[in-house]
Amino acid sequence: DSGVTQTPKHLITATGQRVTLRCSPRSGDLSVYWYQQSLDQGLQFLIQYYNGEERAKGNILERFSAQQFPDLHSELNLSSLELGDSALYFCASSATRGGEKLFFGSGTQLSVL
Amino acid sequence: GQNIDQPTEMTATEGAIVQINCTYQTSGFNGLFWYQQHAGEAPTFLSYNVLDGLEEKGRFSSFLSRSKGYSYLLLKELQMKDSASYLCARLSGNTGKLIFGQGTTLQVKP
Repeated sequence: DSGVTQTPKHLITATGQRVTLRCSPRSGDLSVYWYQQSLDQGLQFLIQYYNGEERAKGNILERFSAQQFPDLHSELNLSSLELGDSALYFCASSATRGGEKLFFGSGTQLSVL
Repeated sequence: GQNIDQPTEMTATEGAIVQINCTYQTSGFNGLFWYQQHAGEAPTFLSYNVLDGLEEKGRFSSFLSRSKGYSYLLLKELQMKDSASYLCARLSGNTGKLIFGQGTTLQVKP
């Protein structure tokens, strides 16, 4: 158990819908990272937050947004869902703003039908 | 995966040694990680190299050559449970974000 909690574990929805994925980092960790993993793309970095502020952005679509709250939990919002958004979404956390190993949650499997 | 290259698949025999190679783009390099990921599960940390040389940790060792943009993960005394995907990841810039390769799926056979 990494100490990073993600909910829900599985999510099935339809095209055009909007979903919210939730992540609670390890106790004391200030950075949260979101990754998308699909079969043909591997683990793709989406976005990083540090202590409530956006710190780095990857190949995140405009239909996707995220935020980190004062209690340090984070949410990833995916809207106008398309079939190609079906993937495993991982959250990871680290103690500081970067440079050390990441601890990954067990992921949310999103299926868009 | 953003200029990180590793073989897609490898097969090895239980009890043997296997070396998984990784090459990466050297610009903006700040460190190299290896993660293990079983199918459908979270990646778990294996090793971190920031200086040249070999880091040994039990049955697993990792090597880095910064000038060559090259790393390898060495797994000794292979066990069936080592069948998994092995992800090479480069630490990018000073933000802490990791850029992952596509991963190498290792199958250990009896």
